[in-house]
Amino acid sequence: DVKVTQSSRYLVKRTGEKVFLECVQDMDHENMFWYRQDPGLGLRLIYFSYDVKMKEKGDIPEGYSVSREKKERFSLILESASTNQTSMYLCASRSEDRLNQPQHFGDGTRLSIL
Amino acid sequence: AQKITQTQPGMFVQEKEAVTLDCTYDTSDQSYGLFWYKQPSSGEMIFLIYQGSYDEQNATEGRYSLNFQKARKSANLVISASQLGDSAMYFCAMREGQGGRRALTFGSGTRLQVQP
Repeated sequence: DVKVTQSSRYLVKRTGEKVFLECVQDMDHENMFWYRQDPGLGLRLIYFSYDVKMKEKGDIPEGYSVSREKKERFSLILESASTNQTSMYLCASRSEDRLNQPQHFGDGTRLSIL
Repeated sequence: AQKITQTQPGMFVQEKEAVTLDCTYDTSDQSYGLFWYKQPSSGEMIFLIYQGSYDEQNATEGRYSLNFQKARKSANLVISASQLGDSAMYFCAMREGQGGRRALTFGSGTRLQVQP
């Protein structure tokens, strides 16, 4: 089974802090994704990566950056956390680029910015 | 413009009855895939079922089936014989092919509550 592991289930940080959310997958997947989930808005794509050191912006990249130095690890960085970044963050990965491949998700990180 | 629309924020169903969760989508691609995910209160996203735009038959996976109406651009999830454990958020998602982006686009979700 595919395993996508997010480093924290719950995280509390203060405004202005630099925040790192880590995601690791164990299936050698090329593609990795970061979403945020807010009530009534569903999941919105922040960034994704299709290879080591490669990244593309999603729909809401402002205030975020990402890092993919190794194939199995994809990090989301909040450069200077703000209260409007309080949300649920979900990491996902997917293998090859065939259309019918589902994305496999981690358990999510509930981030609160005070 | 919304790519995926789920018009039912919340639904109730009695245990053992069937329920349909609505999903409409918007794309100009001929090749695309539609996915349904379940998210229990614990937060993990569980993949349920997939339908490809070229699939001639509606997808089925156990108690889950997809009512795919291509001309109407709808891909409704049908859950038969509901169980208490089906209570969760359900998300419809789409991936466009032919050079479309690699990530799924999600709808806003439907919260299903199964009543005993």
